[in-house]
Amino acid sequence: DAGVIQSPRHEVTEMGQEVTLRCKPISGHNSLFWYRQTMMRGLELLIYFNNNVPIDDSGMPEDRFSAKMPNASFSTLKIQPSEPRDSAVYFCASTVQGGQPQHFGDGTRLSIL
Amino acid sequence: GENVEQHPSTLSVQEGDSAVIKCTYSDSASNYFPWYKQELGKGSQLIIDIRSNVGEKKDQRIAVTLNKTAKHFSLHITETQPEDSAVYFCAALGFQKLVFGTGTRLLVSP
Repeated sequence: DAGVIQSPRHEVTEMGQEVTLRCKPISGHNSLFWYRQTMMRGLELLIYFNNNVPIDDSGMPEDRFSAKMPNASFSTLKIQPSEPRDSAVYFCASTVQGGQPQHFGDGTRLSIL
Repeated sequence: GENVEQHPSTLSVQEGDSAVIKCTYSDSASNYFPWYKQELGKGSQLIIDIRSNVGEKKDQRIAVTLNKTAKHFSLHITETQPEDSAVYFCAALGFQKLVFGTGTRLLVSP
């Protein structure tokens, strides 16, 4: 079975540019989570969706960050404009709503120059 | 909200030794505690989990213990092998959200 699929695996771009990270959850999972991982803060939850609806976005750091889930099989995390401090590894995870465990993708390593 | 603390941040052991990683949590309502292993360049993989109605769970060389009164839980790896080297994260399920510890980098030397 395919796991959670994230793309791209690596992204390097200059500050000010728009960055879009993509995630395909496991088929049948209706909860999706976006995390950011840094050395300083560890793994932080940014936002999560149940049935394509954003439930809690309190972890989104700034208005520059936005996330969408137009359908059950696709979600995006967008940063516009990007800044060097956004450099991190971004993970997507999915699970059945109310269930555990969460299954993680391999992440997108983002570097903003 | 839930707060999870994890210790140690790094742990070096010799192959064959045991390794123990400890976590504490703050929300007494939390009832699910997974452990994840993250290898370099990969996402986190669940290795074992425990629910609050159980005090201990074991899966081959890996075990987790939970003390709800003290609000702490621990990961035990016995007979460590070099391939156990990775970053390990504990987590606690708060209100619909997993809250993660800051991770433990485990290095198993041959």
